[in-house]
Amino acid sequence: AQKITQTQPGMFVQEKEAVTLDCTYDTSDQSYGLFWYKQPSSGEMIFLIYQGSYDEQNATEGRYSLNFQKARKSANLVISASQLGDSAMYFCAMREGQRNSGYALNFGKGTSLLVTP
Amino acid sequence: NAGVTQTPKFQVLKTGQSMTLQCAQDMNHEYMSWYRQDPGMGLRLIHYSVGAGITDQGEVPNGYNVSRSTTEDFPLRLLSAAPSQTSVYFCASSTLSYEQYFGPGTRLTVT
Repeated sequence: AQKITQTQPGMFVQEKEAVTLDCTYDTSDQSYGLFWYKQPSSGEMIFLIYQGSYDEQNATEGRYSLNFQKARKSANLVISASQLGDSAMYFCAMREGQRNSGYALNFGKGTSLLVTP
Repeated sequence: NAGVTQTPKFQVLKTGQSMTLQCAQDMNHEYMSWYRQDPGMGLRLIHYSVGAGITDQGEVPNGYNVSRSTTEDFPLRLLSAAPSQTSVYFCASSTLSYEQYFGPGTRLTVT
């Protein structure tokens, strides 16, 4: 079963506007971590933001914030004041709390974001 | 501090050939893993390692072999390449802290 679901294959946003990228997850673990990565057209994976399952506050990193709703099992990424350089694929990922899994990540299929002038 | 390095960046193989994708990290990370990325599929876990001498299978391990003789290196071997293994391969490493550091990727084409 898919552990991470990103329902928006593609999104458009105008420069300087805010955009929300959706992510829902499925786990029975109490301890887990949620991540967002950005993949520009050059191909590298760039870490953006992390939210731990026990964190009370929503994570923020500069223009990125994670809207964490634990009961709904959602971890949406909010990008404020979009810039042209934000155009990229965005992946939501989850790490479940099992050491023997190597803390490997389960990824969603990604959302392609295009920022227009 | 180079982070996670992968070689080669690009590779073309014929069906049935074998090769090794190299991955090294200089951050003394305990955990390392290999993912493949196919169009529309996100990244899928092939194999992972929780320390030198310890490896295990991920979601899509068939056709791949790994070993971890040192903390730094985690090579991925393709035993007999098939067109279905055409993909972009990412190596990653991490500690108990949260972030996984990714290498730049290897783009592999099997003809």
